[in-house]
Amino acid sequence: KNQVEQSPQSLIILEGKNCTLQCNYTVSPFSNLRWYKQDTGRGPVSLTIMTFSENTKSNGRYTATLDADTKQSSLHITASQLSDSASYICVVSNNDMRFGAGTRLTVKP
Amino acid sequence: ETGVTQSPTHLIKTRGQQVTLRCSSQSGHNTVSWYQQALGQGPQFIFQYYREEENGRGNFPPRFSGLQFPNYSSELNVNALELDDSALYLCASRSPWDRELFFGEGSRLTVL
Repeated sequence: KNQVEQSPQSLIILEGKNCTLQCNYTVSPFSNLRWYKQDTGRGPVSLTIMTFSENTKSNGRYTATLDADTKQSSLHITASQLSDSASYICVVSNNDMRFGAGTRLTVKP
Repeated sequence: ETGVTQSPTHLIKTRGQQVTLRCSSQSGHNTVSWYQQALGQGPQFIFQYYREEENGRGNFPPRFSGLQFPNYSSELNVNALELDDSALYLCASRSPWDRELFFGEGSRLTVL
């Protein structure tokens, strides 16, 4: 069983709408949690990094939250744009990095 | 642009062959890690190099090996290729003072 589980596996929304992606992890202890955006066939690009003591971090229209007690994180995307179509990957770090399988987001006009 | 470059971008090999993938890290980054990403999956950690020494390894067999050079560039070598080795291979670099990982665009390997 993967130590980092993401949901939903895929999501389709209309342009301008908001959405929230979930990440549950069992990695313990952990030093930080990251969210990456990966366009198809490209390398991942960092959106946010949070340590265990942080519970929210924003990067433009992207806001990540972290509840270290329940071992859950979410990535909220506001006012989605067509360019937000990508896979969003949650990564939990301890001594090494554990990647989730990602959520495939499609934004339609 | 992350400053991490990988080559080749695409390549096709047959079963049993050997492949070498290359990565140039961002300037000043002495830590390089390699990942295998199968289609529709998240990246899987292969190994990490710090100052030319392997200092971490994921659950990959010994036919996956690597090198890091004095200029911190790196190679990933895979021997005796299998069909399941078909994937996107990602390289990432990090500086000694930063938690941030910078990924290259990957090398897409197809094994026939």
